[in-house]
Parts: sequence; structure tokens; C-alpha cells
Amino acid sequence: AQSVAQPEDQVNVAEGNPLTVKCTYSVSGNPYLFWYVQYPNRGLQFLLKYITGDNLVKGSYGFEAEFNKSQTSFHLKKPSALVSDSALYFCAVRTDSWGKLQFGAGTQVVVTP
Amino acid sequence: EAQVTQNPRYLITVTGKKLTVTCSQNMNHEYMSWYRQDPGLGLRQIYYSMNVEVTDKGDVPEGYKVSRKEKRNFPLILESPSPNQTSLYFCASGTGISYNEQFFGPGTRLTVL
Repeated sequence: AQSVAQPEDQVNVAEGNPLTVKCTYSVSGNPYLFWYVQYPNRGLQFLLKYITGDNLVKGSYGFEAEFNKSQTSFHLKKPSALVSDSALYFCAVRTDSWGKLQFGAGTQVVVTP
Repeated sequence: EAQVTQNPRYLITVTGKKLTVTCSQNMNHEYMSWYRQDPGLGLRQIYYSMNVEVTDKGDVPEGYKVSRKEKRNFPLILESPSPNQTSLYFCASGTGISYNEQFFGPGTRLTVL
């Protein structure tokens, strides 16, 4: 069975400090992994994806994610967090079927000035 | 402007009264999908469509129907809504080989009394 887990409900970080949001997955075959962000009262926005190739993927708004096959992880990172990065972040994995996408429960990021 | 629109944005109804939530995209995307978002559960996929007249079940299809008669529209139908269908609903569309880099609508908050 395919699954994705985000072990932290909330991450608190001070502005200017590094931000990491954790995601682990379980899939059969090669994983297709995604990060989305949801700002208050908005729909989700695509941040980045890993399909194949380099383990370090760069995305929008200065975010990047590191794919680690041995640890089955796909952690989202940003070197220097901004207050405007405060949002709900979702990790997602594509399952066996092209059309099916499974999301984690989400991690609330709070960046304080 | 490229976008996914949903109507209505807010709806309060009573148990058993049939309703339809419309979704339309202007990006000529082949793929469309419906999700529901519940606290602590993240997003769960209800139905998806790979193209016109092609639909398939997601993880939580019970109590919902969809149709895809035109490429741009993908309505979600609740024939007999129940209180456990109270949720925030998102429509999304996508294209490309992965389909999973999706564009989301603004959401529809449904309350079933």
C-alpha cells in the first residue's frame, strides 16, 4: 500500500533560520513525490516535485527538497525562513495509478519575526 | 488568467438534499480531480478524470458522483448529502506526463446539517 507521512503537526522557526519540513513515504516501485503549500483561505499551490534525476530538487519561493531513497524521505527545506512562509505544507506521493495522488496530513509552519 | 473556479464557495444544506458543486478550468487540462480536506487528515482524493468521459475512483468515493462531459468542467454531485460530508472541497486540474503538478481551485466549504 502507498502512504505518505508528515511526522510533525507544526514546525516553529524564527525568521532567518533554516526551515525543514519532514516527509516520509512508502510506495512500491519508483516514487513520484511532490510538495504543495496552502496559504490561509486559499487553495493549494505546487512547490516542487521529484520524478527522477538529482536528489536535490529546487522549487518555487526558494524552497528545495532532498530525496533520500535509503531513508524513504523527501524533506522540504529553505535556508532562511520568512514570516510570509507561514502556511500549511503538504507532501504528496503518486500511487501506482497515474491519476491517484495521496497527500500527507500536512504540517503547519509558523515563522516568527 | 489561468485558473480553476468552483461554485459555490460556501454552502449550507440539509441532509438528503441533492447538490452539485461545479468546477471549471480554462487551461485545456486533460486531468481533473476532486479532494476533500479535513483537519488532521490532509487531502483525500474523491474522484479523478484523465480526460473527457474517463473517470475513476479515488480513496473516498462513497456518497459522491462525478461526470466529465466537457474538457473544462468536472462537477461533483452529492445525491443525498449526510453530515459526514461536511468538509472543505477542492477541485484541481493538471497536464503533462505526471498529471500531478496540479492547479487548485479556491475551495468550497460545505456544511450538511
